[in-house]
Amino acid sequence: DAGVIQSPRHEVTEMGQEVTLRCKPISGHDYLFWYRQTMMRGLELLIYFNNNVPIDDSGMPEDRFSAKMPNASFSTLKIQPSEPRDSAVYFCASSARFTTGELFFGEGSRLTVL
Amino acid sequence: RKEVEQDPGPFNVPEGATVAFNCTYSNSASQSFFWYRQDCRKEPKLLMSVYSSGNEDGRFTAQLNRASQYISLLIRDSKLSDSATYLCVVKRDDKIIFGKGTRLHILP
Repeated sequence: DAGVIQSPRHEVTEMGQEVTLRCKPISGHDYLFWYRQTMMRGLELLIYFNNNVPIDDSGMPEDRFSAKMPNASFSTLKIQPSEPRDSAVYFCASSARFTTGELFFGEGSRLTVL
Repeated sequence: RKEVEQDPGPFNVPEGATVAFNCTYSNSASQSFFWYRQDCRKEPKLLMSVYSSGNEDGRFTAQLNRASQYISLLIRDSKLSDSATYLCVVKRDDKIIFGKGTRLHILP
């Protein structure tokens, strides 16, 4: 069975450029989460969706970040304009049984902003 | 103060030894607790849930102390393959919050 699929796996861009990260959750999962991981701050929850609706975006750092989930099988995280401090690994995770706390993570998108 | 605190380590432990990790959480409204494992440059994966009565899965034992807001993970007879970062995870309302993790190195 296919797991959570993220793209791109690696992205190197210059400051000021737009970055779009993509995620395909596991089919049938109704929760989708975006996390960011850095050495300094660990894994931070940015936003999560339930049935394609954003529930909590309080972790989104600032207006430069936006996330959408147009349908049950696709989500994007966009950074515009990007800054060097956005460099991190961005993980997407999905869950079918939210109350158990078991999240299935994608392999992550490693972003470097020069 | 972070909501979930862990000793970052690293813990350098000889193969076959027993190692214990601790984690504290600050919000008494936290409802569920978990340990995740993350290998170097990989994604986190669920290791085990933590129940109030304590629970065991093979060489791994998890304990929860709600009064002290404290969670622990014990690994017995450690293997080289146990080398990883162990993440303490707390669920509060709809949020799933990760600690920064404890790095474990098993030495041959």
